[in-house]
Amino acid sequence: QLQLQESGSGLVKPSQTLSLTCAVSGGSISSGGYSWSWIRQPPGKGLEWIGHIYHSGSTYYNPSLKSRVTISVDRSKSQFSLNLSSVTAADTAVYYCARGHSGFAYWGQGALVTVSS
Amino acid sequence: DIVMTQSPDSLAVSLGERATINCKSSQDLLYSSDGNSLAWYQQKPGQPPKLLIYWASTREPGVPDRFSGSGSGTDFTLTISSLQAEDVAVYYCHQYYSTPYTFGQGTHLEIK
Repeated sequence: QLQLQESGSGLVKPSQTLSLTCAVSGGSISSGGYSWSWIRQPPGKGLEWIGHIYHSGSTYYNPSLKSRVTISVDRSKSQFSLNLSSVTAADTAVYYCARGHSGFAYWGQGALVTVSS
Repeated sequence: DIVMTQSPDSLAVSLGERATINCKSSQDLLYSSDGNSLAWYQQKPGQPPKLLIYWASTREPGVPDRFSGSGSGTDFTLTISSLQAEDVAVYYCHQYYSTPYTFGQGTHLEIK
């Protein structure tokens, strides 16, 4: 059974960079046909897709965040990562990683990241 | 961006009764012969969303058959045929036709 697990800093200061990693187990991150996404959900609000990466390394970012987002993959460690720079309080959210293919069937449990000084 | 609009925002239904949630997309989601690139999720407090339906009407393995999806083009529906207590949750529609992928605003379903 595929499992995803987010890890990273839960508290980030304004203007700094948010960094999260998603560890993938029970399956190969190099499997073709799947994308690996980051999705976030501010407290009490809806879902926002941040971007995704394929095992080849090709990426696509949401234009609303594109200037601040970097998603990378480390196939040797079976993980992919999110960096979001110049954060503000508006970036406070639960951040999920998920595997995409005709929707998102597999999700991590989510990591709450709070932006505060 | 494709805008996804759900209705209603909240819904109260009696146990055993039918619940219907609608989702309208700003663009056609029909993706050739594969079908409509539309998924439905259920999210309970403190949990990640759970995929219920993909390709607008294909039930994810393990999802009870009281959940069904229908629709095509720009108009879609999630139906719960006989509401159970464990179905209380927020439901989201999601288009994966084109990036940036987008979600509806969510529908809160509760017991009347």
